[in-house]
Amino acid sequence: GAVVSQHPSWVICKSGTSVKIECRSLDFQATTMFWYRQFPKQSLMLMATSNEGSKATYEQGVEKDKFLINHASLTLSTLTVTSAHPEDSSFYICSAKATGYPKNIQYFGAGTRLSVL
Amino acid sequence: EDQVTQSPEALRLQEGESSSLNCSYTVSGLRGLFWYRQDPGKGPEFLFTLYSAGEEKEKERLKATLTKKESFLHITAPKPEDSATYLCAVSYNDYKLSFGAGTTVTVRA
Repeated sequence: GAVVSQHPSWVICKSGTSVKIECRSLDFQATTMFWYRQFPKQSLMLMATSNEGSKATYEQGVEKDKFLINHASLTLSTLTVTSAHPEDSSFYICSAKATGYPKNIQYFGAGTRLSVL
Repeated sequence: EDQVTQSPEALRLQEGESSSLNCSYTVSGLRGLFWYRQDPGKGPEFLFTLYSAGEEKEKERLKATLTKKESFLHITAPKPEDSATYLCAVSYNDYKLSFGAGTTVTVRA
């Protein structure tokens, strides 16, 4: 149980284009999903918290107009990197928090490697 | 400022050589301490969650313990497949996770 699917696992795009990443909880409902960014050999940095049916909450320093988050259902959240540039190249990982017990546990997707040329 | 510090940064072990990883934290209103395993190019895999000092959890060769200021992840008789980066995270206030930098464990056969 508690499987989170993230797609795509790897994407290459040209500078200036937009990329959408999907995060799905496959066997549980997730009222809250999180998006992280991870640079090589560094830990996960929280970008934003996504709640179903409401606007995402972004961490300080994260551009909400560049990283658009939509949490349209209890099992799906999407991250769109708009007008991507080489400095946006990174490993993006989503997680989902299951409602109810066990509380507060976040289950992670496999991550998306974004390379912007 | 809330902070999570993991040590050592890297750990090289011989197969069967037991060791411990440390995670120290300074956070008010702790709502849980979490251990994850991350393989290269993958997302973190949930291992344990601990909620109160004195609590212990075990899974195969791994055992996690928690005090008021730190947590230990003990690896008993590790195997090469235990090689990974182990991440510690704390949950506070609004259920966000704050991650440490991780300990990369390499187990040689």
